[in-house]
Amino acid sequence: EAQVTQNPRYLITVTGKKLTVTCSQNMNHEYMSWYRQDPGLGLRQIYYSMNVEVTDKGDVPEGYKVSRKEKRNFPLILESPSPNQTSLYFCASSRAGGWTNEKLFFGSGTQLSVL
Amino acid sequence: EDKVVQSPLSLVVHEGDTVTLNCSYEVTNFRSLLWYKQEKKAPTFLFMLTSSGIEKKSGRLSSILDKKELFSILNITATQTGDSAVYLCAVGSGTSYGKLTFGQGTILTVHP
Repeated sequence: EAQVTQNPRYLITVTGKKLTVTCSQNMNHEYMSWYRQDPGLGLRQIYYSMNVEVTDKGDVPEGYKVSRKEKRNFPLILESPSPNQTSLYFCASSRAGGWTNEKLFFGSGTQLSVL
Repeated sequence: EDKVVQSPLSLVVHEGDTVTLNCSYEVTNFRSLLWYKQEKKAPTFLFMLTSSGIEKKSGRLSSILDKKELFSILNITATQTGDSAVYLCAVGSGTSYGKLTFGQGTILTVHP
């Protein structure tokens, strides 16, 4: 089944403890992206990757890192999480990437709480 | 800075009503506008529009883009309780390929 898989689904952590949210897609998509969703603010793009080894900042990259060493995986790293990073996070992928902004396939989301 | 604004923020209707959701945008070098439906968690794709004045249609849902006035509308006719969701509009920029800017969403609630 074609899908974008995020793990974990829920995560509660404390300030400053490094964490990684994994994202994997099995559709051979070139483009992958991370978003955070907060009430009243909609989805905001954190980072995106046009293809392997190519990543770029979205609108809210501060406090996050990403890497795209292989096509299928695009982990989101919070080196020192803070409470303002408490949010619902989505990973998404698409076939052709940013050129055509084709339809995105979203993962099921990761609800992160930083205490 | 790219900007996408949706209205209304929230809408409550009864089954059978017709609703119109709005999305206006300010984007450098517009490429495409997309509509998504978000029910429980992950948004799902509805439409992508790139050309002005051409309606996209899927069942009771339809959407049209006006590139001159910089907006799009999403129409839902004969609404059903299953249409209750958050509807998200997103715009892609040709200046920064890969960058997609979302609006804040419209919460639609359809009562039986």
